[in-house]
Amino acid sequence: GAVVSQHPSRVICKSGTSVKIECRSLDFQATTMFWYRQFPKQSLMLMATSNEGSKATYEQGVEKDKFLINHASLTLSTLTVTSAHPEDSSFYICSASIPGPSTGGYTFGSGTRLTVV
Amino acid sequence: AQSVAQPEDQVKVAEGNPLTVKCTYSVSGNPYLFWYVQYPNRGLQFLLKYITGDNLVKGSYGFEAEFNKSQTSFHLKKPSALVSDSALYFCALSEGWSNTGKLIFGQGTTLQVKP
Repeated sequence: GAVVSQHPSRVICKSGTSVKIECRSLDFQATTMFWYRQFPKQSLMLMATSNEGSKATYEQGVEKDKFLINHASLTLSTLTVTSAHPEDSSFYICSASIPGPSTGGYTFGSGTRLTVV
Repeated sequence: AQSVAQPEDQVKVAEGNPLTVKCTYSVSGNPYLFWYVQYPNRGLQFLLKYITGDNLVKGSYGFEAEFNKSQTSFHLKKPSALVSDSALYFCALSEGWSNTGKLIFGQGTTLQVKP
């Protein structure tokens, strides 16, 4: 239980275009979701926290207008990288908090490898 | 401020030998600690957590971790390593046990288990 499905797993896009990454909770309601960015062989950097029905809270240094987060329902959160540039190439991972007493507290998507060419 | 440190970038052990991946933390209140494992180009998989209670926590795939309050440590251990345990391991600290707090991650430790 408590599975988060993240799509796409890989995407290549041209510089200047926008890319949307979806994160769906399959068997629970995800009130709070988190978006992370990970550089090769490095730790996860929290980009933003989103709560269903409200605006996302972005971490310091993360451009709100570039990384648009929408959490319109209890089962879906999206991250849109707008006007992507090569420096946006990275591994993006979503996470959701698991409601109630649970094994892990948080569950993670399988990640999206974004390459901007 | 809360923080998590994994002092070793890489740990190498031979298959069958015990392994330890170190983690230390800093927090003003009660710590809620987690270990996750990540395989290449994949998300994170939960191994175990410490909320309260016994200092020795048993988790998935034969892993366990010992919470040591005086040393502010939460080292991950396994009595006998497998080649398939080779992966990137993260220690993480939650700011609060409401499941809505942020997770603060350590830098990660690459575990290499040699046949």
